[in-house]
Formats: sequence, C-alpha cells, structure tokens
Amino acid sequence: EVQLVESGGGWIQSGGSLRLSCVASGFSVSSNFMSWVRQAPGKGLEWVSNIYRGGGTYYADSVTGRFTISRDSSDNTVYLQLNNLRAEDSAVYYCSRDNWNYQGHYYGMDVWGQGTTVTVSS
Amino acid sequence: DIVMTQSPLSLSVTPGEPASISCRSSQSLLHSNGYNFLNWYLQKPGQSPQLLIYLASNRASGVPDRFSGSGSGTDFTLKISRVEAEDVGIYYCMQPLQSLYTFGQGTKLEIK
Repeated sequence: EVQLVESGGGWIQSGGSLRLSCVASGFSVSSNFMSWVRQAPGKGLEWVSNIYRGGGTYYADSVTGRFTISRDSSDNTVYLQLNNLRAEDSAVYYCSRDNWNYQGHYYGMDVWGQGTTVTVSS
Repeated sequence: DIVMTQSPLSLSVTPGEPASISCRSSQSLLHSNGYNFLNWYLQKPGQSPQLLIYLASNRASGVPDRFSGSGSGTDFTLKISRVEAEDVGIYYCMQPLQSLYTFGQGTKLEIK
C-alpha cells in the first residue's frame, strides 16, 4: 500500500528546533519529488518545501534559512528540520508525494500523510 | 511568487445542484509543454487534503466524474455537476509551475 506517515511534531518554545519525519511505504522517496505543506489553525494550506528527485531543494520565503528538507533512502524517509521556530510556524505539517514520472509527466500531489502538529509557544 | 485567487470563498449548494469555483493566477500557468500547471485539492473536514484534478483538467484516480476542471492561462474553473453530501469541505487550487508552489485561499462548500 502506498502511504506516508509523519511524526516528530510537538510543543516547543519560540526559538527552539524540531525535526519532522515522513516515512514512505509502497514507493521510494529518492525516486520521487516530495513536498511539505502546512496548515495553521483555522487557516488554508501553505506550501513549505520541496525536494526534487535529483536532490534540489526549494523553500517558501517564510521559512528560507530556518527550515531544511532532506531525505534518507535507507530509511525511505523525508525530513524537515525546523530551526528558530516562531509562533507563526504553529501548524499541522503534511508530507506529500509530488508525482513526476521519469518521462517528465506530472500527476499532482497524489499521496498525503495524516499530518503532524507543531505548536510553538511564545 | 504567483498569487492564486479563488472565488467565491464560500458557497452553499442544494444536493443534486451544480457548483462552480473559480481560480485565477497572477501569471500564466501554461507550460512550454502545452499543459496548464494547475491542480485542485479537496480537504474534507478533519482529513488531509486529497488530489481531485491535475494539469487543469485531468481527474485523479478514483475521483468521481461529476468533478471536472477547465481553463487555461490564468483562469480556471472546478465544476461539480451534481453536488453530493460527501463533497463538503474546502477546495483549493494550487500552481506547481514555479519551484515555489502557491495555493489559493480555499473555497468552503456547504450543503443546504
């Protein structure tokens, strides 16, 4: 079964750090584009970061310099390191597969995890 | 960054009636490969988002055919031909054309 399971969220004080994990099953994270999307309480979806098949990474302006996306093929896991956290980073963080095949055809963010909640206290 | 603007922000629909949501982008989403890079997602209450439509008009696997997407360039529409109770939730458009993806504000669909 193709699925994503996030973990690592929790309560943290402003300025602190957390590492979120996203374990994939049924497919390889290294062979796919992977994304993190967050949703603050009562708010809409906000794209946070991507890691491309080739290893390239991209970040929303709001997290550039503070968050780092990475992956580990041995664990089939994508990570999001959150540093220097602010109250406005409080959100549910979702991991998703951004489905581009090797022929360059695009099929959308077609697999999503259940999310992990980060609460930053000021 | 590309700004995505949805309208309306909420709508209330009688079951069996049609519904339509508009999404406009601040820049053209037409790629050189001829495809419009615009996706639609639905987030049902208490659930993770799910993919409905990719590349403006392609239904994702398992999505009922009452959902359809259309549009090109900067103007896109999601249509539900006959709304059902299970369609309640918040609908988002999203552009994956640029490396920095952006979502619309969301449109909340309620059932009358």
